Amino acid sequence: AQSVTQPDIHITVSEGASLELRCNYSYGATPYLFWYVQSPGQGLQLLLKYFSGDTLVQGIKGFEAEFKRSQSSFNLRKPSVHWSDAAEYFCAVGAPTGGFKTIFGAGTRLFVKA
Amino acid sequence: DTGVSQNPRHKITKRGQNVTFRCDPISEHNRLYWYRQTLGQGPEFLTYFQNEAQLEKSRLLSDRFSAERPKGSFSTLEIQRTEQGDSAMYLCASSLDSGRLSKNIQYFGAGTRLSVL
Repeated sequence: AQSVTQPDIHITVSEGASLELRCNYSYGATPYLFWYVQSPGQGLQLLLKYFSGDTLVQGIKGFEAEFKRSQSSFNLRKPSVHWSDAAEYFCAVGAPTGGFKTIFGAGTRLFVKA
Repeated sequence: DTGVSQNPRHKITKRGQNVTFRCDPISEHNRLYWYRQTLGQGPEFLTYFQNEAQLEKSRLLSDRFSAERPKGSFSTLEIQRTEQGDSAMYLCASSLDSGRLSKNIQYFGAGTRLSVL
């Protein structure tokens, strides 16, 4: 069965510091992978996606993620965090069968300190 | 296009009452999904529609839950005889299945937060 693990429940970084959010997935075939961000009381916004091809994908707001098949990982990175990046981040696997429903991790809450 | 719209944004109800939520997807999108998100968790898939046909339902969707998409446009999610365990954020998403994978990206609404007292 598909599953997504985000090992860190919350992370605190200083503004201007680099960020890496970890994501590990379990999926029986080629995964379709996503990172979403959710601000308090809001829906989810897609940051970036991986379907195939180049394993380093660029997203919005200066985020990038790298797909590593050997490690079953899809970690999210940003070189310099801004206070406005404080939010909850969800890694997800898209299942191409069954209408492409999405399986989400439990999320990592990012706190940014001045 | 204003994106996926959900109403109401918040709903407070008493245990045992019925509630109905509405989702208006992005206009050209033919797929519509419902998810439930409880505090501290990621969204969990409930059901999805391809046009007006409900093609899959999660085991999370008990028989007190029913979803419809009568004309392949907006959708409603009804919960009958609500229980305190139904308290959650209910998220709707839509996507365009055009046969090209890059288009099958789900766009989410802001959700309806349900509180059952």
